Amino acid sequence: AQTVTQSQPEMSVQEAETVTLSCTYDTSESDYYLFWYKQPPSRQMILVIRQEAYKQQNATENRFSVNFQKAAKSFSLKISDSQLGDAAMYFCAYRPGNTPLVFGKGTRLSVIA
Amino acid sequence: DAMVIQNPRYQVTQFGKPVTLSCSQTLNHNVMYWYQQKSSQAPKLLFHYYDKDFNNEADTPDNFQSRRPNTSFCFLDIRSPGLGDAAMYLCATSAYANYGYTFGSGTRLTVV
Repeated sequence: AQTVTQSQPEMSVQEAETVTLSCTYDTSESDYYLFWYKQPPSRQMILVIRQEAYKQQNATENRFSVNFQKAAKSFSLKISDSQLGDAAMYFCAYRPGNTPLVFGKGTRLSVIA
Repeated sequence: DAMVIQNPRYQVTQFGKPVTLSCSQTLNHNVMYWYQQKSSQAPKLLFHYYDKDFNNEADTPDNFQSRRPNTSFCFLDIRSPGLGDAAMYLCATSAYANYGYTFGSGTRLTVV
């Protein structure tokens, strides 16, 4: 079975500091996609960043970047210069081909002013 | 703007009284999904449509049904809601091209 594990139920970071959220996954597929989604309290889930497994280069979107280690099946999210608006639940998700996303259990990130 | 719209945002229903949640999209995506999300948990897939092809998850209760009359609309019917069905229900869409999902804002269902 394909699983996604987020080992940190909660994290906190000081405003303007950097934080890394971890994610590991289990798969026998060679071609797949990985995503990080952000879900603020009572608000819509939005895509933060995506990574194609066939790409060696780590994806980056402004202050958000990933460390993708395919052999280790690891996909961590780094948030630089953390802002109060980054406080949310973050879900790591995995998708092989056209099958539905498999989500991790999430990491709740708090940002301390 | 192209988007996924869920109505209503909040729904209160009585125990055992059928309820329908709706989702519409202007993205023209082939695939639509319904997820159930309980407090502080990961979204749980209930079912999804590839075009008109319906795919039900093995552990989705029979109490839950879905309809997709056309590309733009998808409905979630709960025939006899129980207290355990109180949750946020998320609709999402995707194209075949693996660009992840676009989510609606969700409908929070309360069962009284």
